Parts: sequence; structure tokens; C-alpha cells
Amino acid sequence: GAGVSQSPRYKVAKRGQDVALRCDPISGHVSLFWYQQALGQGPEFLTYFQNEAQLDKSGLPSDRFFAERPEGSVSTLKIQRTQQEDSAVYLCASSRRRAGVYEQYFGPGTRLTVT
Amino acid sequence: AQKITQTQPGMFVQEKEAVTLDCTYDTSDPSYGLFWYKQPSSGEMIFLIYQGSYDQQNATEGRYSLNFQKARKSANLVISASQLGDSAMYFCAMRDGFTAGGTSYGKLTFGQGTILTVHP
Repeated sequence: GAGVSQSPRYKVAKRGQDVALRCDPISGHVSLFWYQQALGQGPEFLTYFQNEAQLDKSGLPSDRFFAERPEGSVSTLKIQRTQQEDSAVYLCASSRRRAGVYEQYFGPGTRLTVT
Repeated sequence: AQKITQTQPGMFVQEKEAVTLDCTYDTSDPSYGLFWYKQPSSGEMIFLIYQGSYDQQNATEGRYSLNFQKARKSANLVISASQLGDSAMYFCAMRDGFTAGGTSYGKLTFGQGTILTVHP
């Protein structure tokens, strides 16, 4: 596929459950971002990877959130002991630098609902 | 801290007319970039247009143009000849000087969005 893919597209979790969200970036894209988008709001930055290195995790809201990208391609965002406030769409984006512009390509997102 | 403000929660436009979506920003970094994204109901973020802080001319991409007024810190999106398919949420976003590993990496800060509805 040519674009960023994410799975699952929809996830319903009971409060307290652990979830894992997957992102497949565009092949060859070094940079990968995770964003959280609450209903009716703009996306907010969670974390950034350059290849397998997590260089910025300043946006992760708590230590229940963990992200990895062990081989520098596929990334997983894990949320432990989910809470209702974790309900949101989680967007993944991969990026390349083209003509001086860091153009980010977004996936369709995973809509997480915590009940 | 960087901040993006979109003051129009919703906008309406007649098909084939032009519409302007407002965006103001705040940053102390002299080097930054401004983006506009479209998010239809399907949820995917679609890149529309980019303006760099040092670009001398306003960016244009087809029916989209960016009215960049640096002194006023505004970066309004103009959509000409609106189409029904333009109905969506529109986000303004800014990249400023975040670096990691010695290189700038393009972390984006988004505004709250504007819902555009195009009427036939």
C-alpha cells in the first residue's frame, strides 16, 4: 500500500484493559509521529521516532502510555489500564523531507472508546 | 510556547464561491512552517498547503492559497470556487524549531479547527 495504515480502525475497551494500536508507515519514511485527537479538537502530539529511536515523548499524557518502533518501521502505541479520558482518535503520521518541507502523511486513525 | 488559533468554529459558503478560513499563530522561533490540513468525515488528515516563514511569496496549490501576513502572524487559507466535496473540518498547524538528533523534525501544533459546509 502507498499510504500509512493503522489497525484496528475501531477499538472498544473496558476501563482497566490494556490496548495496543499499530501503525504501518510509508516505506522508507524515517520519521514517525503519534497524535491524539479528542472529539471536536485538533490533534495533539504524543511522541516522535526517528528510525527506531524515540527522540521526543514529551506529549505522552501519563506513564500508562508507551510507544515503540523496534525495527524502525512498524510502530505500536500501548495504553495500559485504560481510562475513560483515553477515549480519542489516535493518529499516526510518517514524514519525509521534500523540497525543504517536512510533509507529514497521516493514517486513517484508530478510534478508541473506553467504556 | 507555540500556539495556533482558529476563531471560526464553523463557516458556510455557497458552491462556486470563495471562502477564507482564519488562522493566527504565536511563536518566538524565527524559523517555522505553517500547514493546512483537511479532515473529511472519514477521519484522515489530508495535506493541502505549506508556507515557510522565510518564503517571500504566498503559497498556492490549485484552488488553495495561503494569505500569509507575517507581521500580523496570520496564515489564512483561501479556497476558491468551492465544491461540495470541500465540506470538511480544516486545521491550521505550525512546525517550529523542534530538533532532535541534530535535525529539525517537524513536530506539528494544531489549531482547534473550522468546520466548512458548502451549500449547493
